Amino acid sequence: SQQGEEDPQALSIQEGENATMNCSYKTSINNLQWYRQNSGRGLVHLILIRSNEREKHSGRLRVTLDTSKKSSSLLITASRAADTASYFCATDPFYQAGTALIFGKGTTLSVSS
Amino acid sequence: DSGVTQTPKHLITATGQRVTLRCSPRSGDLSVYWYQQSLDQGLQFLIQYYNGEERAKGNILERFSAQQFPDLHSELNLSSLELGDSALYFCASSVAPGGPTGTQYFGPGTRLLVL
Repeated sequence: SQQGEEDPQALSIQEGENATMNCSYKTSINNLQWYRQNSGRGLVHLILIRSNEREKHSGRLRVTLDTSKKSSSLLITASRAADTASYFCATDPFYQAGTALIFGKGTTLSVSS
Repeated sequence: DSGVTQTPKHLITATGQRVTLRCSPRSGDLSVYWYQQSLDQGLQFLIQYYNGEERAKGNILERFSAQQFPDLHSELNLSSLELGDSALYFCASSVAPGGPTGTQYFGPGTRLLVL
């Protein structure tokens, strides 16, 4: 079963607006990562947040992590058309540290100009 | 460009056939992961190799097998193919296991179509 579940499944916004995607997971984790996938292409790593961190920034990206609620959010500020892609959260479960990441089904973001 | 290469990019074959997908990890990465991405199942972990040894298994069918060679490239073998095996197959690499899983670097994928 999926560890991470993203919400919403799809999001459509205008250029310049902010986009927020949420991820919920089920088990204790070492870290949580966000990846982007342009249509049919490989996944690109965006940001990693460790279980003892609450917030992390990278450029126009802001990630928060609430381990008590087992949830994370990804905020993309001032969205651009080039941000159109699918976004996945991936968890490194504590019970299988150092092996595979478990991915959610993703949020499809569409940014129109 | 992640530094991970996968060949071929596209593969069209018939049911019952066998195919081999190839992956070369980033220079210096010892771990290779294989994932399958389909519309209904999402991104599913298949198997991980570290420095030539199998390290973890996920939802990999018995008809599928993999190996990692001394030069660290990896091959995923899919046999007795079924229509449902049509999917994108990704390879990813990372530096090493041991402790939490860090960033994984994904290749461009192989799109397999079984007719």
